[in-house]
Amino acid sequence: DAMVIQNPRYQVTQFGKPVTLSCSQTLNHNVMYWYQQKSSQAPKLLFHYYDKDFNNEADTPDNFQSRRPNTSFCFLDIRSPGLGDAAMYLCATSRDLQGKNIQYFGAGTRLSVL
Amino acid sequence: DAKTTQPTSMDCAEGRAANLPCNHSTISGNEYVYWYRQIHSQGPQYIIHGLKNNETNEMASLIITEDRKSSTLILPHATLRDTAVYYCIVSIPNTGNQFYFGTGTSLTVIP
Repeated sequence: DAMVIQNPRYQVTQFGKPVTLSCSQTLNHNVMYWYQQKSSQAPKLLFHYYDKDFNNEADTPDNFQSRRPNTSFCFLDIRSPGLGDAAMYLCATSRDLQGKNIQYFGAGTRLSVL
Repeated sequence: DAKTTQPTSMDCAEGRAANLPCNHSTISGNEYVYWYRQIHSQGPQYIIHGLKNNETNEMASLIITEDRKSSTLILPHATLRDTAVYYCIVSIPNTGNQFYFGTGTSLTVIP
């Protein structure tokens, strides 16, 4: 059974049209992450939530925002998508345990920008 | 920034052991070594992690050198389904545990 669920698997949006990607988890993990993965590249961390505390990476563009309304759900908002934002977006979760903070990833949402 | 270096690609014959090296010469004392793999168009999958002792689970073995500056992931009997990109990551498993992925090794298992 899927534990980190990302919807939709494929998303098409228009240049400049806001888009929201969603992630839900059934693991009751307190940490949730968003990564961007462009074609033939490694995943790149955008930001993460530790409980309700939001932590942005220094080089994440302002165009990317996130919301976490409760433990189970986290959203990635792209306010004005550009062609360069076409990528796979991966959500991951972990529980903060000493020495065993394993991240579990969803299958990802592939975003196309037309 | 990623703190690991890995070969770009490797081949392995089906049924043989696959040994994937990783260099992490600047690893700090409280950083763990994590290995993940990513099969095409899927999310990364956890394989194994360790601090300084060698580790083994149902998927793989992790050998960490005594100075902790490098490690090797061993898949004992590679199958075609092990074809994937393998990432070695060093991170501190505390608040947030941010992962900074390196370029990874693309492993191809050959029939």
